[in-house]
Amino acid sequence: QKEVEQNSGPLSVPEGAIASLNCTYSDRVSQSFFWYRQYSGKSPELIMSIYSNGDKEDGRFTAQLNKASQYVSLLIRDSQPSDSATYLCAVNPHTGNQFYFGTGTSLTVIP
Amino acid sequence: NAGVTQTPKFQVLKTGQSMTLQCAQDMNHNSMYWYRQDPGMGLRLIYYSASEGTTDKGEVPNGYNVSRLNKREFSLRLESAAPSQTSVYFCASSSTGGFYLYGYTFGSGTRLTVV
Repeated sequence: QKEVEQNSGPLSVPEGAIASLNCTYSDRVSQSFFWYRQYSGKSPELIMSIYSNGDKEDGRFTAQLNKASQYVSLLIRDSQPSDSATYLCAVNPHTGNQFYFGTGTSLTVIP
Repeated sequence: NAGVTQTPKFQVLKTGQSMTLQCAQDMNHNSMYWYRQDPGMGLRLIYYSASEGTTDKGEVPNGYNVSRLNKREFSLRLESAAPSQTSVYFCASSSTGGFYLYGYTFGSGTRLTVV
């Protein structure tokens, strides 16, 4: 079983809709959770971090964490074509100084 | 504010050749990492350095060596390149705050082709 699992997609949503991206992880005692956005041919860029259960909002982005169910999600409200990218979930387990990444979900926002 | 700088951006090697990928960060981060990214495989950790003077193997270390030259610089060496090492390589750095590891800052990547 992989440390971090994501649905690879592709996920397509119309412009203005809510895009929902999900991620599950295997280490029950994981501490830090991040979402990265990666445009084609570019490096990943950090967009959201979450450390405790519940929701965290930043502009059009909301990260949700449920440690009991071991999943973390990212909601993108009012999706824009510029949100079209691959979204990577990253989890820091309770041991070690590294993150484990999911394989990413490809999102396309259709104008 | 350069962040994380990687060189070169592109490289083509012949099988058996060697090369070193360079990475430098100017954010005073303690931890530095080398990942490779392959289609369908996601980002996989090759080596990391939690602090100056230490290095540790990641998920896919075979065929690679690293050097943490100082706090700023972390290099990745391919001693005898193989076609299986064709990939996009990313260097990243991060800091820690107590119990938590803060998010990575990535370099722009090196696209390596081994023929």
